[in-house]
Amino acid sequence: EDQVTQSPEALRLQEGESSSLNCSYTVSGLRGLFWYRQDPGKGPEFLFTLYSAGEEKEKERLKATLTKKESFLHITAPKPEDSATYLCAVQAVFDTGTASKLTFGTGTRLQVTL
Amino acid sequence: NAGVMQNPRHLVRRRGQEARLRCSPMKGHSHVYWYRQLPEEGLKFMVYLQKENIIDESGMPKERFSAEFPKEGPSILRIQQVVRGDSAAYFCASSHGPPKEAFFGQGTRLTVV
Repeated sequence: EDQVTQSPEALRLQEGESSSLNCSYTVSGLRGLFWYRQDPGKGPEFLFTLYSAGEEKEKERLKATLTKKESFLHITAPKPEDSATYLCAVQAVFDTGTASKLTFGTGTRLQVTL
Repeated sequence: NAGVMQNPRHLVRRRGQEARLRCSPMKGHSHVYWYRQLPEEGLKFMVYLQKENIIDESGMPKERFSAEFPKEGPSILRIQQVVRGDSAAYFCASSHGPPKEAFFGQGTRLTVV
């Protein structure tokens, strides 16, 4: 059974205060790890896909990294508009080639204040 | 290039009625996922479909819930004889296929009264 654990559950930062969000996972044969942002009342918005350990991707103030057991979402000099819930998900593909579902963590609620 | 379209955005049903939720995937996408989200909870997987096939329905309740993704037209999540506990936000996502990223719609908020 694929499992995803995100920490912390909630994080409060001041504007400009950099930090990292953690996503630990166990999956048989990882094919992709995904980061999403979700605002209240909205659907998750895709941010990044990481495929293999050592891979890094950046977008504005966000940088995602991947190891064999966890992924980090680094937020550099955050702004209030970065406030949202950040979700991590994994997907595996079985030896038969059949893909597994996306398994999500419960997310980290980030609040950035002035 | 329209994103994933879900309708209706809000749906109110009385107990015992049927709810039908629609999801039109992004153009060219043949994989669809349905998730349910309760207030202050995470996304819970329900069903994963490809065109005309159910790949994984391990998250679907055994009774009253069904899903389809026909060759033509949107994917449909059907809930029969709704109960108050079915009240939630239901999200649909589509992708080209694994391990490509999946894009979500804005969800359907179902309220059972």
